[in-house]
Amino acid sequence: DGGITQSPKYLFRKEGQNVTLSCEQNLNHDAMYWYRQDPGQGLRLIYYSQIVNDFQKGDIAEGYSVSREKKESFPLTVTSAQKNPTAFYLCASSPGGIGWYFGAGTRLSVL
Amino acid sequence: AQTVTQSQPEMSVQEAETVTLSCTYDTSESDYYLFWYKQPPSRQMILVIRQEAYKQQNATENRFSVNFQKAAKSFSLKISDSQLGDAAMYFCAHTQGGSEKLVFGKGTKLTVNP
Repeated sequence: DGGITQSPKYLFRKEGQNVTLSCEQNLNHDAMYWYRQDPGQGLRLIYYSQIVNDFQKGDIAEGYSVSREKKESFPLTVTSAQKNPTAFYLCASSPGGIGWYFGAGTRLSVL
Repeated sequence: AQTVTQSQPEMSVQEAETVTLSCTYDTSESDYYLFWYKQPPSRQMILVIRQEAYKQQNATENRFSVNFQKAAKSFSLKISDSQLGDAAMYFCAHTQGGSEKLVFGKGTKLTVNP
């Protein structure tokens, strides 16, 4: 089954802790994206990557970091610098701008 | 700056009737894509319909169709014969920066009444 797998489904962060959200795709797409969804805000772009070993900041990158060491994987780290991390995080991939395919999301909460 | 505007935070429709969701966008590009995504309570984002800006013909997918007005930068979604399973958040989106990024509106919550 081709698709995008996000894990975990639920994640809890303690004060001062970094946490990493996983995103894996087997669609052979070059581009991958991370979005944050808050109530009433729609989806906002955190980071995106169009090729391995390269990525760009989106609209709300502060407090987040990413890596793209493999085409299939695009993990997102929510650092302790992100003061309001509670949100729903969606990972997506695209074969080149004609369609975005989304994972099932990770809900991050603060303990 | 917000480049996709969905002016209706909530809409409701009776089962089997038709509803239209509005979307306007702002872009200086001539070639881009427009999308409507559905997000049911499961929160999985599902592509409903896609429109290429260079095509004048409005896209249709079964009960879903769009009214694309390029000069007015308007992209509305019409749902015909509404079903209970259509109840969801609907997001309008367009590509930006040569299709590098997808920018979303804030969404419209659609309720379908039996």
